[in-house]
Parts: sequence; structure tokens; C-alpha cells
Amino acid sequence: DVQMTQSPSSLSASVGDRVTITCRASQTISIYLNWYQQKPGKAPKLLIYAASTLQSGVPSRFSGSGSGTDFTLTISSLEPEDFATYYCQQSYPVFTFGPGTKVDIK
Amino acid sequence: QVQLQESGPGLVKPSGTLSLTCAVSGGSISSNYWWSWVRQFPGKGLEWIGEIYHTGNTKYNPSLKSRVTILVDRSKNQFSLKLTSVTAADTAVYYCASLYCGGTSCHASWFDPWGQGTLVTVSA
Repeated sequence: DVQMTQSPSSLSASVGDRVTITCRASQTISIYLNWYQQKPGKAPKLLIYAASTLQSGVPSRFSGSGSGTDFTLTISSLEPEDFATYYCQQSYPVFTFGPGTKVDIK
Repeated sequence: QVQLQESGPGLVKPSGTLSLTCAVSGGSISSNYWWSWVRQFPGKGLEWIGEIYHTGNTKYNPSLKSRVTILVDRSKNQFSLKLTSVTAADTAVYYCASLYCGGTSCHASWFDPWGQGTLVTVSA
């Protein structure tokens, strides 16, 4: 299976900060990497698919980039509702998720 | 917009069988999506369990394949999960989700939307 790692595991930030989260795959996965946001007590929500395509309805302050084994999720200016845990996910041959990055308030 | 809702017992005894159902509303289970189960452990890790197409074709996580059965009921617009021989390690929040399958081998796929999740505890 393709193993996913994320860094950092957690970070503290303030409203208005630019935040970058990294996801790394144990082998190349082209652009087939998705990002999810999860708030406490809620299901994960799809933010970005295929590394850089924003899901409908997701604010443009979220962006994704990368290919091969290294990917990033960037929040250009953190809003109060963005404090959450973020997971990456790849699809082949078995769906696997990263361990998550928790973004909390500084 | 498709919505999914899980239902089933919240407590299962060790060595028993976990059984959950996911009701699909706002769309047909016979549409061009796969229907999946994903679980989240208390430590927050996420694990894909398996998926089913409306034709009955299934794919399972190899690590769980010997214990998992996913079925579809088109007449009720729902699908179900059975996990046998459960232990405390199977305690988790279980989510159902719609899976967009892209590419010939679903290598470009993502889960959206998700149900709200249901906590299943394995304990005597």
C-alpha cells in the first residue's frame, strides 16, 4: 500500500495567517491526491481533488499543488471557520489517508 | 444533492458481527458512483473498508477482506456493511460515503459526500 505522511502533525496559527500543510506519498501517485477538512464531531469534507482542483463551494483561499510524491495544501488567509483537522488521501491501489494535521488557534 | 445516513447498533460484543446500513437520499444508488464505507479510529486515523457499485461489484481493503461483506439494495436505495469476528480494535466511527471513481482502475477517486457517521463500540 502507498503510505501517506503529513507535516506538521499540528500547528497553531492566527486569523489572517498563511498556512501550508505538506503531504508525502511513499511512492509516486501522479496528481491523484485529495484533501479533506474535518471539524470536531463532523464527517470529513472534500476540499480539493486531483491535487489542485477546488471542490465546488470551497472558498478560493484554499489551494493545492504538487505531483509525484510531494503535495501541499495552502490556506492563503486563515478564517475562524478554518480551524480544523486536514487529511490527505490517495486512491491506488488501496485508498489510504494521511494521519492528519490539526490547525488550532494561537 | 445526495445525502447519506448511517444506522445500526452502537454496541457490538466481541466476536460478534457489526451490521450497518447507509440510506441514500436525494439521488439514486444506481447512479454512476461507488458507495463506500470508511472508519475513523478513536486516535483519529481513517481507514477505507470497501465499496460497492449498484451492479453488486465490490472492492475491499485487503486487510479486512476476510471479514467484510458489503451489499446493495436498489429497491430501498441503500447499502450495508457486515464485519464479522469483531474485537475492540474495530471500535470506531463508521462513515458511509459516495465515491467518485475516476480512471480505469479508480486511481483518480475521491469521497464526497459523507454521512454523519455512527460510533460503534465493541465491548462485552
